[in-house]
Amino acid sequence: EDQVTQSPEALRLQEGESSSLNCSYTVSGLRGLFWYRQDPGKGPEFLFTLYSAGEEKEKERLKATLTKKESFLHITAPKPEDSATYLCAVQAGNAGNMLTFGGGTRLMVKP
Amino acid sequence: KAGVTQTPRYLIKTRGQQVTLSCSPISGHRSVSWYQQTPGQGLQFLFEYFSETQRNKGNFPGRFSGRQFSNSRSEMNVSTLELGDSALYLCASRKQGSTDTQYFGPGTRLTVL
Repeated sequence: EDQVTQSPEALRLQEGESSSLNCSYTVSGLRGLFWYRQDPGKGPEFLFTLYSAGEEKEKERLKATLTKKESFLHITAPKPEDSATYLCAVQAGNAGNMLTFGGGTRLMVKP
Repeated sequence: KAGVTQTPRYLIKTRGQQVTLSCSPISGHRSVSWYQQTPGQGLQFLFEYFSETQRNKGNFPGRFSGRQFSNSRSEMNVSTLELGDSALYLCASRKQGSTDTQYFGPGTRLTVL
């Protein structure tokens, strides 16, 4: 059974304090790993897709990396507007186009 | 380019009733997936439709059903509502390729009393 575990569940940072969120996964044949950001009461907003170990993608203060067992979302010098829940999801080779999500990391950035 | 739209945004129903939710995908997207999000279980896959055919189904009871129309718009139906069906129901659309990104709509917040 495909599993995705995110840690920590919640993270409080001061503005400018860089950190990383972790997404560990067990999947039969990874086809893609996705990062989304979700604000309260809204749908998930797409951030990145990673397809193979060693791949990295960046967008503004965010950088996502992928290994064979986990992915990291690095946040450099975060701002209060980066506060949100960050969701990781995997698409497995034997599960059609279904995404299996982790529980998310709730990030709070204080000014 | 307009994003995924879902209607209604909020819904209050009582136990035993049924409900229909609607989703309009991004223009040109042919695949629509539905997810249920609750505080306890997180985001869970319900089903996926492509070219009016259900391609995959999650582990939910038969009370949950859906369909897709020729214009790619999709509806999901929940019959005989239970308190535990209270959740945010999210629709996601995708072009058609197997590794295309799924883009989510704002969701429909369903409350069952």
